[in-house]
Amino acid sequence: EPEVTQTPSHQVTQMGQEVILRCVPISNHLYFYWYRQILGQKVEFLVSFYNNEISEKSEIFDDQFSVERPDGSNFTLKIRSTKLEDSAMYFCASSIRATNTEAFFGQGTRLTVV
Amino acid sequence: DAKTTQPPSMDCAEGRAANLPCNHSTISGNEYVYWYRQIHSQGPQYIIHGLKNNETNEMASLIITEDRKSSTLILPHATLRDTAVYYCIVLPNQFYFGTGTSLTVIP
Repeated sequence: EPEVTQTPSHQVTQMGQEVILRCVPISNHLYFYWYRQILGQKVEFLVSFYNNEISEKSEIFDDQFSVERPDGSNFTLKIRSTKLEDSAMYFCASSIRATNTEAFFGQGTRLTVV
Repeated sequence: DAKTTQPPSMDCAEGRAANLPCNHSTISGNEYVYWYRQIHSQGPQYIIHGLKNNETNEMASLIITEDRKSSTLILPHATLRDTAVYYCIVLPNQFYFGTGTSLTVIP
């Protein structure tokens, strides 16, 4: 069964450093998403991406964040200068279309900022 | 923002049907009802979705009331592995997760 894969599973970084979280969406999917979940809190939408453009973003997704699809398979989330409060699970998801369809989530990257 | 209301927690005996309710009284005509679950801190897992008809798949059944203001997810024979947080999501596009229902299946 096709799945969304995320790497690394766990990333530890020092405050102020840049991190790139990587995702390989399901191959025929066209819509891509990033979510985060701070420990003990709910899953929060960050951004959606379609046709090489951001289609929607939340207020969490500020100038510190950026997304990119550098090639035909990867979808990345970059945090430019990490803060302690960026520590969370980051989930990537993909779907074949925007509406009336399920999104498939990866298993997440646990980001720890120290 | 989530436009749904779910009980924060529920228990269910193993082997019994788990019925998880969701209120979505402000749902509009083109909005689908989705159900996802999250086991521990794993990625959310899609369960089922529907617009106005009842739906069934290998995991669960979704019963949507005629006025579409509420729905119930039914896990017909709950197992210990069904212990998870269940999210009811109503939106035409993005998936906004609320706090969900924490279902505990008891042996």
